[in-house]
Amino acid sequence: QKEVEQNSGPLSVPEGAIASLNCTYSDRGSQSFFWYRQYSGKSPELIMFIYSNGDKEDGRFTAQLNKASQYVSLLIRDSQPSDSATYLCAGSDTGRRALTFGSGTRLQVQP
Amino acid sequence: GAVVSQHPSWVICKSGTSVKIECRSLDFQATTMFWYRQFPKQSLMLMATSNEGSKATYEQGVEKDKFLINHASLTLSTLTVTSAHPEDSSFYICSARVRREGHKEQFFGPGTRLTVL
Repeated sequence: QKEVEQNSGPLSVPEGAIASLNCTYSDRGSQSFFWYRQYSGKSPELIMFIYSNGDKEDGRFTAQLNKASQYVSLLIRDSQPSDSATYLCAGSDTGRRALTFGSGTRLQVQP
Repeated sequence: GAVVSQHPSWVICKSGTSVKIECRSLDFQATTMFWYRQFPKQSLMLMATSNEGSKATYEQGVEKDKFLINHASLTLSTLTVTSAHPEDSSFYICSARVRREGHKEQFFGPGTRLTVL
């Protein structure tokens, strides 16, 4: 079982809709979680991080964390074609200094 | 934000040659940097953790004699791919963690695309 799991997609949503990206993790000791966006041929770019249970909002993005269910999500409101990318979920596993990344979910926003 | 740079952004080399990739933290000091590799349409794979002033820690399956890592200063880590072969062609990305507000965030460099002919 992978430590951080994501559905590879593609997830296709129409422009203006809400895109919901999900991630589960296996290490209950993980304290912090990160969402990165990666455009094709580019390196990952940090979008949001979340440490506490509940929701965290930043502009059109909302990260949600449920430690009891070991579940992290990212909501993108008013999706735009420019949001089309691969979204990587990452967690800080205990005992490792580097983040552990999921395989990513490819999002396609249809104009 | 924390800025990480890489050089070169792309390189094409002949099989058997060695290639050095530099990773720099521009506005902060990084005692630890990470090197990742990403093949097309695949996820990031951590290769090694680079520690300033000490030996790098390699992930299982990564040949330390082939991928030489040197972290000579708090702002520079280098990855040298020795005797590169076509199967080493990949996107190499470095990153560094920065402590902010009691938590660590990880920022990536722009990556280096290596093509071995």
